[in-house]
Amino acid sequence: GQQLNQSPQSMFIQEGEDVSMNCTSSSIFNTWLWYKQDPGEGPVLLIALYKAGELTSNGRLTAQFGITRKDSFLNISASIPSDVGIYFCAGRGGSNYKLTFGKGTLLTVNP
Amino acid sequence: ETGVTQSPTHLIKTRGQQVTLRCSSQSGHNTVSWYQQALGQGPQFIFQYYREEENGRGNFPPRFSGLQFPNYSSELNVNALELDDSALYLCASRRGTQDTNEQYFGPGTRLTVT
Repeated sequence: GQQLNQSPQSMFIQEGEDVSMNCTSSSIFNTWLWYKQDPGEGPVLLIALYKAGELTSNGRLTAQFGITRKDSFLNISASIPSDVGIYFCAGRGGSNYKLTFGKGTLLTVNP
Repeated sequence: ETGVTQSPTHLIKTRGQQVTLRCSSQSGHNTVSWYQQALGQGPQFIFQYYREEENGRGNFPPRFSGLQFPNYSSELNVNALELDDSALYLCASRRGTQDTNEQYFGPGTRLTVT
């Protein structure tokens, strides 16, 4: 099935560093979402974006909905050890049910 | 408020068998979606149920079927299991189908087919 192009695949950073990851699609989306998944858990919604150009923050997390509606990025500032996990982008198109996910970015934070 | 729950947590089946996975939606949520997440991949949409009817389906064969009950809980049934069906199966619920009503995921059922 279709998956979005998410990069990087993995990141190893030091505590306190900032992190940036992005997601691109060949299709236009009306909604971009960012999720975090811990081992043995389901994905947890971090940020939802509904308008092209929208920039939204949730604590140390900031995400933007690209102007072309084909991309989105997520920034994490001043990373901490509990930020470790897999981050997924997801997009939703004209149909208001199906989410298409990226393959995920594995984030490791060294204390 | 109770979140999305799924059962069982883990399951081992043999190729060719049938399996039923269960999901209880979050309180007040009447829409349920199912996703398959293979190891190292993002979740793939299987189908969605709203008001006990399937109203959207991904690229999965008919041997993947589902039900939604009047209390909005849901089942995913997979017939004639194949080795590639081994995955984490995620259920997600949301209130209605409005775009800004986002879905919340359960912890998943880990299915292993041998």
